Amino acid sequence: EDQVTQSPEALRLQEGESSSLNCSYTVSGLRGLFWYRQDPGKGPEFLFTLYSAGEEKEKERLKATLTKKESFLHITAPKPEDSATYLCAVPEGNYGGSQGNLIFGKGTKLSVKP
Amino acid sequence: DAGVIQSPRHEVTEMGQEVTLRCKPISGHDYLFWYRQTMMRGLELLIYFNNNVPIDDSGMPEDRFSAKMPNASFSTLKIQPSEPRDSAVYFCASSLSGSLLSSYNEQFFGPGTRLTVL
Repeated sequence: EDQVTQSPEALRLQEGESSSLNCSYTVSGLRGLFWYRQDPGKGPEFLFTLYSAGEEKEKERLKATLTKKESFLHITAPKPEDSATYLCAVPEGNYGGSQGNLIFGKGTKLSVKP
Repeated sequence: DAGVIQSPRHEVTEMGQEVTLRCKPISGHDYLFWYRQTMMRGLELLIYFNNNVPIDDSGMPEDRFSAKMPNASFSTLKIQPSEPRDSAVYFCASSLSGSLLSSYNEQFFGPGTRLTVL
């Protein structure tokens, strides 16, 4: 069964304290791994897509990496405005030719204190 | 583009009433997805459409839920009759087809409708 697991569930950091969020996945035939940011009361906002092991993408203080089993979202010198829930997702395998569904993890709630 | 538009943003209703949620996808997108988000279960796909045709509705919890997409720029999710356990945030998302079967394009989400059933 296709599955996405994120850890930790919650993470509290001091401003400037770098850390990483983990997303492990099991899916047949990876067609991409997606990272989203979700602020309270809003819809998920797309951050990155990674397609192959070894790929890395960066945006401001965020860097996403991908291996064959998991992805990491590294946050360097975070600021309070980075506080949000970070979701990762993979398209389902065996999609029968259609685009198929995105399977989401339950997210990591990040809090960055000044 | 204005992005995905959903209405209403908040809905409070009483058990047994009919609820209709609305979504306007991003112009040109050919996929539309309806999700439900709760603290316990996270984001769950309810149904998705491709070119206005429902492709997978296996996530629709019961016959009380129905969804339609009469044209490329409008979709509805209806709950009749509503129950307290339907209280959640409902999201609509849209995307483009991947250029290859091996690729998948990102989904863009609307702001959601927070539904409370008393």
